[in-house]
Amino acid sequence: AQSVAQPEDQVNVAEGNPLTVKCTYSVSGNPYLFWYVQYPNRGLQFLLKYITGDNLVKGSYGFEAEFNKSQTSFHLKKPSALVSDSALYFCAVRDIPGNNRKLIWGLGTSLAVNP
Amino acid sequence: DGGITQSPKYLFRKEGQNVTLSCEQNLNHDAMYWYRQDPGQGLRLIYYSQIVNDFQKGDIAEGYSVSREKKESFPLTVTSAQKNPTAFYLCASSLQTGELFFGEGSRLTVL
Repeated sequence: AQSVAQPEDQVNVAEGNPLTVKCTYSVSGNPYLFWYVQYPNRGLQFLLKYITGDNLVKGSYGFEAEFNKSQTSFHLKKPSALVSDSALYFCAVRDIPGNNRKLIWGLGTSLAVNP
Repeated sequence: DGGITQSPKYLFRKEGQNVTLSCEQNLNHDAMYWYRQDPGQGLRLIYYSQIVNDFQKGDIAEGYSVSREKKESFPLTVTSAQKNPTAFYLCASSLQTGELFFGEGSRLTVL
């Protein structure tokens, strides 16, 4: 079965420290991978995506993610966390076959950056 | 500016009433989606539409209905048949690559 897992419900980091939000996936074929961020009572905002090419993808607000095919992971990273990065982060994967554009979503990871 | 507009942002409904949530986009995207978000459950797909006058049920379509008469508009009706409608509803549209653009959401509360 196709799935996405975000193994940590919550991640706490100190401001200025590097942060990592984990995501692993299981899909048939080659995946399209996405990260989104959600601030309280707001819609989701697209951060970055991996389709093909370089395994390290750079996105908005200084975030990046590394695609690791052997570990089926797509962890979100940032070298230096800001308090304003505190939000809910979602990983999602789309399987390529067919015209179905549904995404498979993780349950989200709440990131808290402490001053 | 291009984007997705959802209205109303907050909505209260009495039990037994149908309500319609509006979603309009000016991004010229073909595909549009409705998601429901509940705490701890992530996003669950209600309905999606890949083209005008066509839509498909998602994972939790029971108690909901949609229409897609225009490319720009994809309204969602929460009917009285939906047993637990209190939730945060998100509308989105997508590019060919599947990247989603979301509205700001509508929070529905049943009194």
